[in-house]
Amino acid sequence: DVKVTQSSRYLVKRTGEKVFLECVQDMDHENMFWYRQDPGLGLRLIYFSYDVKMKEKGDIPEGYSVSREKKERFSLILESASTNQTSMYLCASSTPGQGARNEQFFGPGTRLTVL
Amino acid sequence: AQKITQTQPGMFVQEKEAVTLDCTYDTSDPSYGLFWYKQPSSGEMIFLIYQGSYDQQNATEGRYSLNFQKARKSANLVISASQLGDSAMYFCAMRETPNDYKLSFGAGTTVTVRA
Repeated sequence: DVKVTQSSRYLVKRTGEKVFLECVQDMDHENMFWYRQDPGLGLRLIYFSYDVKMKEKGDIPEGYSVSREKKERFSLILESASTNQTSMYLCASSTPGQGARNEQFFGPGTRLTVL
Repeated sequence: AQKITQTQPGMFVQEKEAVTLDCTYDTSDPSYGLFWYKQPSSGEMIFLIYQGSYDQQNATEGRYSLNFQKARKSANLVISASQLGDSAMYFCAMRETPNDYKLSFGAGTTVTVRA
């Protein structure tokens, strides 16, 4: 079974704090993703990584950065948290491949509240 | 422009009946993949079914089937014989090539199954 874990289910932080969200997958997947989920907007891609130390911006990267030092771990960093970053954050992983199913496997999510 | 449109924010269905969730998509790429995910209240996204743009037959996975109408650019999910455990949010998503890694998600449809 593919397992994607996230460090916290719920997190409360203050405006201006630096926030780290950790994601670990145990299936040796090359690709990892960070999404945020907001009501009425679905999931929006923040960043993804297709290899160690490689990253690409998604659709909404502003205010976020990422780190991938090991294949199994992908971290999302909020350099200076703001209230508009209050959201559900979902991590996912997948194998690479073109034209194939290669579905993404998701973690349980972290609900972040910034006060 | 919105790549995935789910026009039904919420639906109610009676237990044991079938329900159809609408999804339309927008792409000019001839090669793409369509996915449906289920998100229960626990938050984790669960992959349900996949349809490739060149697949000749509509995809089926147990009680889930996909009504794929390529010319109309629609990929509706049909859940047959609804169960109480089907109550969840359902997301339609698309992967286009050459953006092979990324998924674009719709806003989601909440399904509530009534006993």
